[in-house]
Amino acid sequence: AQKITQTQPGMFVQEKEAVTLDCTYDTSDQSYGLFWYKQPSSGEMIFLIYQGSYDEQNATEGRYSLNFQKARKSANLVISASQLGDSAMYFCAMREGDNYGQNFVFGPGTRLSVLP
Amino acid sequence: DAGVIQSPRHEVTEMGQEVTLRCKPISGHDYLFWYRQTMMRGLELLIYFNNNVPIDDSGMPEDRFSAKMPNASFSTLKIQPSEPRDSAVYFCASSLDRGVLDTQYFGPGTRLTVL
Repeated sequence: AQKITQTQPGMFVQEKEAVTLDCTYDTSDQSYGLFWYKQPSSGEMIFLIYQGSYDEQNATEGRYSLNFQKARKSANLVISASQLGDSAMYFCAMREGDNYGQNFVFGPGTRLSVLP
Repeated sequence: DAGVIQSPRHEVTEMGQEVTLRCKPISGHDYLFWYRQTMMRGLELLIYFNNNVPIDDSGMPEDRFSAKMPNASFSTLKIQPSEPRDSAVYFCASSLDRGVLDTQYFGPGTRLTVL
């Protein structure tokens, strides 16, 4: 079974509007971390935001927020006031477990296109 | 603070040649990871190190691939001999050792083309 599911291969949003990128995950661990990365066309992987499984409040970083719904096992990324520079691939990732050395599992990604 | 540094950024080589990719992690980070990204397979973890020691190399595709980390500030990924199917973007990433909230910071990647 897929550990990370991103059901939207591609999305379009109008500039200045908000957009939600979906991410659902599968784990039986109680302790885990959820992460979002952005990969623009230039290719680098840019860390955006993270959420710990024990965090009660949703994480926010500037225009990025993570809508964390633990019971539904979803960790959606919300980008407010979209900008043209937000056009990129977005990857959701999860790190499970308490053991050191457990590593990230990446989802397949969502390609976001911001329209002027 | 400098991020993860990778070199070269682009590498074009011919089949059968040896290729060496280099990585300098963020100073003070305990973990170093090598990933490969292709359109078909997405991001794949190849190998990772903890305090310079290889921990898990189960993602290394074949014996043609090898990785070393001789010290805390340098790692190499070597492919010998290279094949066209090795063409991909290779990322190095590093992180601190803080459990599940470790954030991996990626280098800019090396785009490898094997002709």
